[in-house]
Amino acid sequence: DTEVTQTPKHLVMGMTNKKSLKCEQHMGHRAMYWYKQKAKKPPELMFVYSYEKLSINESVPSRFSPECPNSSLLNLHLHALQPEDSALYLCASSQSGGGSYNEQFFGPGTRLTVL
Amino acid sequence: DAKTTQPNSMESNEEEPVHLPCNHSTISGTDYIHWYRQLPSQGPEYVIHGLTSNVNNRMASLAIAEDRKSSTLILHRATLRDAAVYYCILYRYNFNKFYFGSGTKLNVKP
Repeated sequence: DTEVTQTPKHLVMGMTNKKSLKCEQHMGHRAMYWYKQKAKKPPELMFVYSYEKLSINESVPSRFSPECPNSSLLNLHLHALQPEDSALYLCASSQSGGGSYNEQFFGPGTRLTVL
Repeated sequence: DAKTTQPNSMESNEEEPVHLPCNHSTISGTDYIHWYRQLPSQGPEYVIHGLTSNVNNRMASLAIAEDRKSSTLILHRATLRDAAVYYCILYRYNFNKFYFGSGTKLNVKP
C-alpha cells in the first residue's frame, strides 16, 4: 500500500468554525508533512513531524495546529481561519526525516474554502 | 534559501522527447536535485533525483551540469498522460526540506 489518504476531500468553513483535516499512511513511514498550495503556485511547507515529534514549523500562524497521534496519522486542526487561508492542503509522508534520498508520497489534498 | 528557476510552460508533441530545464545557481554541495510532477487534481509524485551524476529510471532521465548549477529532466517519449506541472526541487537533506521551484506546466499535443 503506497497510498496517503486525506479526508475530507473538500471543506467549507466559516471564520468562527473549528475543523480538522486528517491524513493517514500505512507504509511504515516515520516522517509526515503538511503543505499549503495556492492556485498555480508550488506547495509551501508548513510542518514536519519526524518520529511523531514536531521537527519543523515554518512560522505558521497559531490558528493552524498540527497533531501526530501515532506514526500513521497526522491531523491539522483549524480555528478562526481567514479567507486568505483558502487553499489546497497536502499531506505527505517519507520513510524517515532526512537522509540523502527522501522520496515523499503525497496525498490528493483537501480543498479548503474559508468564507 | 535554495532557489530554482524554471520556465512557466512548455509544449511538446506526443511521442517526441521533452527537455525540461532548471537553473539552481545557489545550489550547495549537499543539496540533492529532485523532480516531482503534479497531475491535475492530484498531489505531486516523485519522478527522479540525483546529486552529481546523470540518472535514469523508468520514467525519465536527469542530466546534471558539471558545475551543478543547472539540470534537465528528459522525458524520452511524451504521452498525453505526461501533461502535468513539473517541479524542480532542491532537497537540503540535513534540514529535511524541499525547496520547490515555481514549476513548468507541460502541455502535450496529440
